[in-house]
Parts: sequence; C-alpha cells; structure tokens
Amino acid sequence: EVQLVESGGGLVQPGGSLRLSCAASGFTFSSYWMSWVRQAPGKGLEWVANIKQDGSEKYYVDSVKGRFTISRDNAKNSLYLQMNSLRAEDTAVYYCARELGAKDYWGQGTLVTVSS
Amino acid sequence: QSALTQPASVSGSPGQSITISCTGTSSDVGGYNYVSWYQQHPGKAPKLMIYEVSNRPSGVSNRFSGSKSGNTASLTISGLQAEDEADYYCSSYTSSSTPWVFGGGTKLTVL
Repeated sequence: EVQLVESGGGLVQPGGSLRLSCAASGFTFSSYWMSWVRQAPGKGLEWVANIKQDGSEKYYVDSVKGRFTISRDNAKNSLYLQMNSLRAEDTAVYYCARELGAKDYWGQGTLVTVSS
Repeated sequence: QSALTQPASVSGSPGQSITISCTGTSSDVGGYNYVSWYQQHPGKAPKLMIYEVSNRPSGVSNRFSGSKSGNTASLTISGLQAEDEADYYCSSYTSSSTPWVFGGGTKLTVL
C-alpha cells in the first residue's frame, strides 16, 4: 500500500525557517518524481515544487523561488522541503504527492502557520 | 502564471449529470494531454479522479469521465450521488517555468 506521511509543520514567525519531511513507503520511491502542493486556509490547491527521481532537476512556483528548496534522500525514501524567509502568505497545509503524469497519491498534509 | 479557470460552484440533484469546465490556454490545457482532476472532501487530502484528460485510476467509479476540446477540459459526473459533494480541482502541465498549475476549484453541491 502506497503511503506518504508528512511531518515538520508548526508555528513559525515571519522570516523564520522550517523543514518539512515526507516519508514514503509501499512503492519504489527512487522511480518517481515527487511534488509538494499547498493549500492556504479556505483556498485552493497550489503546486509548490517538484523533483526528479535522482534529484537532478527541480522546479518551483515563482512565489517560493530563492526561499524554498526541495530535496530527497532515496536511501531513506524521504522527500524534504526546506522553507526559509517564511511569510504570512506561506501559511497553508503542505501535501507531498507522487507524480506519474498526475499526482496519484497524496499524504495527509502538515500545517504550516507563519505568524508573530 | 494564472490558475486555470473553473466555475466557483455547480449543483445537481441525485441521479443527474453535471459537468465542470477547466479553461486554460494553448500553453497548458490546449497544448498537452496532462490534464488531471482531483476530488477533495472537507479536511481530507485530494484524490486523483482523472489523469491524462480521460483516464480513470483503478477504483474510481465509471460515473466520472473527462474530456478536452481546445483549451478547455471538462469533468462529467453522471448519476450524481450524495457522496460526490466535494471540491473538484483540475490541473495541467504547462510550458511555463512553473511546470504544473491548478484550477481555482469548483464546489459541487448535491441538492
């Protein structure tokens, strides 16, 4: 059974940093692109970033470029999102998702709240 | 980059059919067959319902179908059931520097 479990969310002050993790199981993690998608409270889905199977290609939505870094550790079956210089508008539930042309499996999400 | 355009809300009675549209451009919906649809119930993670315009993942009811014409993709739900009440999002691959984009979402109400 494919499982994706996010962790690392919480309350952080504006300008602060947070590192999200996503533990994958039930599939060959190293064979798939992986994505982070976020959803602000009461709002729609927003694609944030994705990473190729071997980590050699990474893409970001314009609003997080230069502040967020996506990475993965295939030996640990884990996906990460390092978030720096956080802003109030980054407040959202962050989901990790497996990519196969579409996001076919999603985690349950982790809430990031940026507030003083 | 702009989100794909979806109606904010649609409604239908049990047993009826409804269609949700998703309008983009030739740089996204019209240019690629990587259009997907997601269902999201309140407080839950999104669930893939349609991928590559018209394909259903295993386990998704055949009441759900997808299509595309030009720059507009559509999700049709036939034989509406109470459990179909949810938010629905379309997504497409794009040729911009941001490779994926979502629609703004459509709230489906089953009357």
